[in-house]
Amino acid sequence: EAQVTQNPRYLITVTGKKLTVTCSQNMNHEYMSWYRQDPGLGLRQIYYSMNVEVTDKGDVPEGYKVSRKEKRNFPLILESPSPNQTSLYFCASSPTSPPTYEQYFGPGTRLTVT
Amino acid sequence: DQQVKQNSPSLSVQEGRISILNCDYTNSMFDYFLWYKKYPAEGPTFLISISSIKDKNEDGRFTVFLNKSAKHLSLHIVPSQPGDSAVYFCASGGFNKFYFGSGTKLNVKP
Repeated sequence: EAQVTQNPRYLITVTGKKLTVTCSQNMNHEYMSWYRQDPGLGLRQIYYSMNVEVTDKGDVPEGYKVSRKEKRNFPLILESPSPNQTSLYFCASSPTSPPTYEQYFGPGTRLTVT
Repeated sequence: DQQVKQNSPSLSVQEGRISILNCDYTNSMFDYFLWYKKYPAEGPTFLISISSIKDKNEDGRFTVFLNKSAKHLSLHIVPSQPGDSAVYFCASGGFNKFYFGSGTKLNVKP
């Protein structure tokens, strides 16, 4: 089954404790992206990747890091999480860069930073 | 600066009636627009799209209209069904970046 998986689905952590949210897709897509969803703001793009070893900033990259060492994986790293990073996070992939192709989204990771 | 805007946070319609969801964009370079649907506890799923060379695209009960001069698009759902109750996002982008509106929560009452 074609899908994007994210882990963990739920995470509660404390300020400053480094964490990684994993994302994996099995569709051989070149483009991958991370978004955060906040009430009243919709989904905002954090980082995206055009292909292995090619990443770039989206609209709200501050406080986040990403890497793309393999085509299928695109982890999101919060090296020193803060409460304002409490949000719902989505990973997505598409065959090439949007918007021409639809993106496929993972189920989301709800992060709470206390 | 929001490049894609949805000014109606919520919409309630009766089953069988038409639902109209609106979206505005500011970047005249955008030439492809998509609508996504999102149920609680799930990721967004693609619904329908439209290219700027068209002013209308239809897929079953869903039709998207594009007015380039007004930088406005709308999603029509006819007839609306209770299973259509979800949050709808319009989206577009360019130069590898992608932008979503803030979403409209549609409630279709039986």
